[in-house]
Amino acid sequence: NAGVTQTPKFQVLKTGQSMTLQCAQDMNHNSMYWYRQDPGMGLRLIYYSASEGTTDKGEVPNGYNVSRLNKREFSLRLESAAPSQTSVYFCASIPRDGQGQETQYFGPGTRLLVL
Amino acid sequence: DAKTTQPPSMDCAEGRAANLPCNHSTISGNEYVYWYRQIHSQGPQYIIHGLKNNETNEMASLIITEDRKSSTLILPHATLRDTAVYYCIVRARSYNTDKLIFGTGTRLQVFP
Repeated sequence: NAGVTQTPKFQVLKTGQSMTLQCAQDMNHNSMYWYRQDPGMGLRLIYYSASEGTTDKGEVPNGYNVSRLNKREFSLRLESAAPSQTSVYFCASIPRDGQGQETQYFGPGTRLLVL
Repeated sequence: DAKTTQPPSMDCAEGRAANLPCNHSTISGNEYVYWYRQIHSQGPQYIIHGLKNNETNEMASLIITEDRKSSTLILPHATLRDTAVYYCIVRARSYNTDKLIFGTGTRLQVFP
C-alpha cells in the first residue's frame, strides 16, 4: 500500500513551458486534491475532484488544468508556466467517510521552479 | 465555505499538554472539523476529525463546543517531535462536492 505517490519530485521549467504533475493513490478514495504551498505560507487549494470524472475549482485555479481519468489518478497541468507558479505542489487523497488506517493522505510534494 | 481562525503561534513545554484552539463560527450542520499538521516541508499529516462529539485517538483529542463554533485540539503529552504547523479545517462535503481548504494554521513550538 503505497498511499499517495507524486511524480516528479523536482522540476525546473522555463517560462512558457508546459508540464503535467502526476498523482496516484491506491487507497480507493473518491476525493483527490491539488494544493500549492509557497515558501513560508499555508496550503492553497488549486483544484479538487470529489469523484471519478468530476473536477472543481479551488481557491487558485488560474493557470492550471486537471484531469481525473479514473479513480486512482488525478493530474495537474501547467499549460504555460510562469515564475509565479514556482511552488511546492501537494496532491492529497482523502477518504470520504471516516478515516482509514492510513494517516499519510498527502503525497511527498513536487518542487517546481519556473525560471 | 466556513472559515477557521487560529492563533499564529504557540509554545508548549515538553511533556505538558498542548491545547490548540480554533474558531469556526460559520460552520454548517453537516460540516466536519479536521485537524492536520505539517512538519517542516513534508506533506500534511492527518490527526483527527469530528462532527459534534468529542473524539480521541492515539495521537490527540478533539473537543468541539456544543454550538460547534469552536474546537480545541489536545496533544496530551507534547514531545519535541510535535513541533509543527497545525491546521484546523472545516470540510464542506455533499453528494457532489468535497472541498477542503486550509487556513494559515498555528505554529506549535515544543521546547525542552
